[in-house]
Amino acid sequence: DAGITQSPRHKVTETGTPVTLRCHQTENHRYMYWYRQDPGHGLRLIHYSYGVKDTDKGEVSDGYSVSRSKTEDFLLTLESATSSQTSVYFCAISGGRSSYEQYFGPGTRLTVT
Amino acid sequence: AQSVTQLGSHVSVSEGALVLLRCNYSSSVPPYLFWYVQYPNQGLQLLLKYTTGATLVKGINGFEAEFKKSETSFHLTKPSAHMSDAAEYFCAVSGMFGNEKLTFGTGTRLTIIP
Repeated sequence: DAGITQSPRHKVTETGTPVTLRCHQTENHRYMYWYRQDPGHGLRLIHYSYGVKDTDKGEVSDGYSVSRSKTEDFLLTLESATSSQTSVYFCAISGGRSSYEQYFGPGTRLTVT
Repeated sequence: AQSVTQLGSHVSVSEGALVLLRCNYSSSVPPYLFWYVQYPNQGLQLLLKYTTGATLVKGINGFEAEFKKSETSFHLTKPSAHMSDAAEYFCAVSGMFGNEKLTFGTGTRLTIIP
């Protein structure tokens, strides 16, 4: 299994509070991704990173920000959580142009009350 | 732009029967195609992928898929279903030129009837 961990694995928070989810990899892969999974929608890309300090938006980026200060860590921040951000969040990594396979972390279940 | 359509959000088959999960894609560039499986409360695991070359690709756990460009399809099959195949399956597409982002279908939940 690819070395990907996510923390926390479960979180309950209140509307309006900031939340940060962490993805940590030990594979030294260049690309990292944040997805959210919702019933009926599959997985949708929030943000991705193609290197340290290099990030870009995905299809559902509103209300989310990311940072990557080290190769191994990719942080997802909800500046002011809303109930519509209740979801399961997955981090994924890939090696880049020569390797299109993405490997997924175990997920973080976030509930915003 | 890319998109994926998975026909049937729920599929039930009897143990030992053929499994067929349908995936159609749309892509403006030659696609790379993937099938992932998700067991309850777990992340996604790659089953198989098509990049270039042979259009029939074999994956783990006895699954295979065939890329049919004329039909823009990448259906997943397994000759004989096993109880352990019960899971959710996702088809995904990415472009092969400068685009590593995956676009996923909405998933198909496979139930195996004993």
